[in-house]
Parts: sequence; C-alpha cells; structure tokens
Amino acid sequence: SSELSQDPAVSVALGQTVTITCQGDSLRSVYASWYQQKPGQAPRLVLYGLNRRPSGIPDRFSGSSSGDTTSLTITGAQAEDEGDYYCDSRDTSADLRFFGPGTKVTVL
Amino acid sequence: QVQLQESGPGLVKPSQTLSLTCTVSNGSITRGGYYWTWIRQRPGKGLEWIGYISYSGTALYNPSLKSRVGMSVDTSKNQFSLNLRSVTAADTAVYYCARDRATSTVTYYFDSWGQGTLVFVSS
Repeated sequence: SSELSQDPAVSVALGQTVTITCQGDSLRSVYASWYQQKPGQAPRLVLYGLNRRPSGIPDRFSGSSSGDTTSLTITGAQAEDEGDYYCDSRDTSADLRFFGPGTKVTVL
Repeated sequence: QVQLQESGPGLVKPSQTLSLTCTVSNGSITRGGYYWTWIRQRPGKGLEWIGYISYSGTALYNPSLKSRVGMSVDTSKNQFSLNLRSVTAADTAVYYCARDRATSTVTYYFDSWGQGTLVFVSS
C-alpha cells in the first residue's frame, strides 16, 4: 500500500516532549524517514532507519517503530523545532516512494 | 557534502512542457547506490514524489504522473533533468531535486535536497 497517515497538527510547550506518528502498511516492511520543513525552505532529513540521525541533527530527535506505525519524538522541544514534519516510505513491491501528509508542530 | 541545484524557467504556459535540470556538485552522479529524484510541493500542500532516475538511465515514475513525465541523466555534466508534458495550473509547484539513498533493503531516505524552484503554470 502507498498511503501514510499523520496527525495534521500538534503543539508542545517549550522544553516539553512531543511525539508525532506515521502509520501505513508499508511500514511493516521498511523503516520510515522523517523530514523537517520550515516555511520557505527545502525539507531537511532529521531521522532515518532505526533511529538514525544525520550529522548536525540534535539528539533530542529520536525515533521508534512498531508494526505499521513509526514515531518521531522531540525530547525538550525548542522554538527552532517548529515546522512541518513529513514521513516517507517505500512500496517494496512497486519500488515507489511516497510521503505522509505532514504534521505541523507548534512550540508554545 | 553533495549539493544539488535546480534550474529552469519559472513560468510555463498551459499545455506546454515543463523542463528542469538539477546540477550535482561535490559528488559524482555516477556513484552507485543513489537514485536521483524529483519531488514537488504544490502551494500550501505536502510533498509529492514524482520519480527517480539512476545514473545508468533506469527511471521510475509516480503512476499518477507517469503518462506525462520523462527523466534523463547527463553524466558528463553531472546533471539530471525532468520533463513534464501538457502542464496545467495544477502543476504549479515548488520542484525539488533530491538524492535518494538506500543503505539496506529496509532503509531508504532522501539525504540531500536542492533549495527548490517555483514553477508557475499560467498563460
């Protein structure tokens, strides 16, 4: 299946923890990757594989996966963490890529 | 760190062909294990995968766009290109080129992105 679902929006108080989820059948077969996008900017990879962070991504970003659901957790959210977060997966049978609809994260 | 940069017209007339090029720098497009990808984002909307091309020319497209899309690669210039035919206003979007990487059979991610280029479709 080539569909992913995400909550449209979440909010978190400064310094608190927030978890955003991504759900889809494809996630039983592959790991999702996560991208942060701020207004007017290109998306930036923040998490991939089983909880892997690219160089330069703070360790307050972490991930987990269970069944058809993958989660991105920001522990101690900062103002600069505001933005849209997209998950991405792969249809292994058709070799297609697709994104979730995105979650808007607001830091209060 | 590899860098990608999109280039092409910012305005295309309806029914014409949208053509964009992505130039890859600080890395060879012929390096194995990568797929060179186009992704777009309509105004106020989410990300849409258009398709990819390998350095050898193997391409795969989003089924929803497959009838209108073509991609090519020019290894001598370290570039890859997108053609989208018969465009309409619905194709107005920011178009990104990106590098798709697979580090295992279960791990795929876009590790490098261009800054994006806005293409308007209007007469």
